[in-house]
Amino acid sequence: GDSVTQTEGLVTLTEGLPVMLNCTYQSTYSPFLFWYVQHLNEAPKLLLKSFTDNKRPEHQGFHATLHKSSSSFHLQKSSAQLSDSALYYCALSANYNVLYFGSGTKLTVEP
Amino acid sequence: ETAVFQTPNYHVTQVGNEVSFNCKQTLGHDTMYWYKQDSKKLLKIMFSYNNKQLIVNETVPRRFSPQSSDKAHLNLRIKSVEPEDSAVYLCASSSGGARDTQYFGPGTRLLVL
Repeated sequence: GDSVTQTEGLVTLTEGLPVMLNCTYQSTYSPFLFWYVQHLNEAPKLLLKSFTDNKRPEHQGFHATLHKSSSSFHLQKSSAQLSDSALYYCALSANYNVLYFGSGTKLTVEP
Repeated sequence: ETAVFQTPNYHVTQVGNEVSFNCKQTLGHDTMYWYKQDSKKLLKIMFSYNNKQLIVNETVPRRFSPQSSDKAHLNLRIKSVEPEDSAVYLCASSSGGARDTQYFGPGTRLLVL
């Protein structure tokens, strides 16, 4: 079946340092990969999603590259900001067009 | 700007009661979903509907039943709630393709005493 693994449950960083949140997946199909962000007491919102070609999606300074060979879609940002503190979910969509989410990574950015 | 609306925001009830949650989207989407976010923040698909037709039912207990009157509305009824049903129930909608963005509502938080 389809599944997504996020190995870090909690990540704490100092403002200005780079961010990397890991995401690997398993799927019988060729899935689309997504990153959703959920700020405290808010709904999850799309941060970025994979393209069908080799373009690298970017949004709000975040980017992710889909590597089919390693089944990964890690989220990166060169410099963390305080406002980046949130819960980040990696998700995939394949055969039935529903989202299968990883367990989430809580990112805390400190001054 | 909110385009997926859920009511109520919060509901407290006792074991064995019946509850019902409402969801409406104004995005013109054909597909709607219910997800459950538990106390550990695990987010799991429960159901998806496309134009009032049930498409996906992810091994959800039979006490849960989705109801759709039209493609803009998807409600969720729980017949006899149990303590493990305490969670946030998130409604979402999309155009229905695998690559299409899903837009989430603010959620209904259910507490079962």
